[in-house]
Amino acid sequence: ETGVTQTPRHLVMGMTNKKSLKCEQHLGHNAMYWYKQSAKKPLELMFVYSLEERVENNSVPSRFSPECPNSSHLFLHLHTLQPEDSALYLCASSQDGGQSSPLHFGNGTRLTVT
Amino acid sequence: GESVGLHLPTLSVQEGDNSIINCAYSNSASDYFIWYKQESGKGPQFIIDIRSNMDKRQGQRVTVLLNKTVKHLSLQIAATQPGDSAVYFCAENSGGGADGLTFGKGTHLIIQP
Repeated sequence: ETGVTQTPRHLVMGMTNKKSLKCEQHLGHNAMYWYKQSAKKPLELMFVYSLEERVENNSVPSRFSPECPNSSHLFLHLHTLQPEDSALYLCASSQDGGQSSPLHFGNGTRLTVT
Repeated sequence: GESVGLHLPTLSVQEGDNSIINCAYSNSASDYFIWYKQESGKGPQFIIDIRSNMDKRQGQRVTVLLNKTVKHLSLQIAATQPGDSAVYFCAENSGGGADGLTFGKGTHLIIQP
């Protein structure tokens, strides 16, 4: 049990589909993150929410749309994705925005875009 | 460019030996550093962290060393076990607000029996 739960674990979708990734944290943290992990590349920060407000949008294409309805839940809505979007999508949470406390990660959603 | 990097992509050690994984960072404003372990099929798992006002910090079988003069971070694992096989990432906060961490590419640690 990591304290951060992501569903689904695996997702295969076509380029015209719409799907959503879900993340839930049970740690009482007030910041949540989406990261993208591609082969042979460092983790890439996509979105940050602190106290349910988005504080960082790292030039992510609009086909990725985050939603944070409360401090425990985070979604990533996907539509009209491209094959190069295939990757492991990791959700994380932290106590103070990541500046002096570690991020805690879920096990990710392995996304394949066909 | 990438401010956090690793010297070796793969490190192979004998079971029972000590392992040292190195990391270089370029942002002198970074004041918080973390080591993560990622096993196959799992997300990164926190191992140990260190703040810039410290040079060394020890945990259970792990030690992190920080050399601010040369901007170098290392993770030492004592008496490596098969369960230590994983990819290890260093990360820094870059002192830039609540925008998460900057990660290196990772070192794959392989434990030989």
